[in-house]
Amino acid sequence: EVQLVESGGGLVKPGGSLRLSCAASGFSFSYYNMNWVRQAPGKGLEWVSSISSSGSYIYYADSVKGRLTISRDNAKKSLYLQMNSLRAEDTAVYYCARGDSGDYQWGQGTLVTVSS
Amino acid sequence: QTVVTQEPSFSVSPGGTVTLTCGLRSGSVSPNYYPSWYQQTPGQAPRTLIYSTNIRSSGVPDRFSGSIVGNKAALSITGAQADDESDYYCVLFMGGGSWVFGGGTKLTVL
Repeated sequence: EVQLVESGGGLVKPGGSLRLSCAASGFSFSYYNMNWVRQAPGKGLEWVSSISSSGSYIYYADSVKGRLTISRDNAKKSLYLQMNSLRAEDTAVYYCARGDSGDYQWGQGTLVTVSS
Repeated sequence: QTVVTQEPSFSVSPGGTVTLTCGLRSGSVSPNYYPSWYQQTPGQAPRTLIYSTNIRSSGVPDRFSGSIVGNKAALSITGAQADDESDYYCVLFMGGGSWVFGGGTKLTVL
């Protein structure tokens, strides 16, 4: 069974940093592109970032470019999101999602709250 | 800035058929945008229904189907059931590795 388990969320002050992790199991992690998608409270989904299976290709939404960094460790079957210079508008549930062409398998998400 | 449009809300009677759409404020949606659809109930993670216009994700019943209708992507639900009451999101591939979600449609079954 495919499992994606996010962790690392929490409360952080504006300008602070946080690192999210997504632990994968039940499939060959190194074969799949991976993604982060977020959802602000009461709002819709927003694509954040994608990384290719090897890590060679990385893409970001304009809203996070230069502040959020996606990475992966295929040996550890893990996906990461380093979040720096956080703003109130980054407050959201962050979902890890496997796949491409829109065929996503989703984790349950981790909540990041940016507030003083 | 690319804006993907969806109906904010829709209602359908139990057993009825509903078609939700996904468009572009400027331009037409084609299969080249790999339109995909997701279902989400409150407090839950999204669930993939349809990807690449019309391919059902694993385990999705054939009551759900995707297509292009006119200049928009469409998600049709036939034989609507009470547990179809959810938020539905579409996403379009914009090239350069980026994707843009629509604002979502809140579907009521009553």
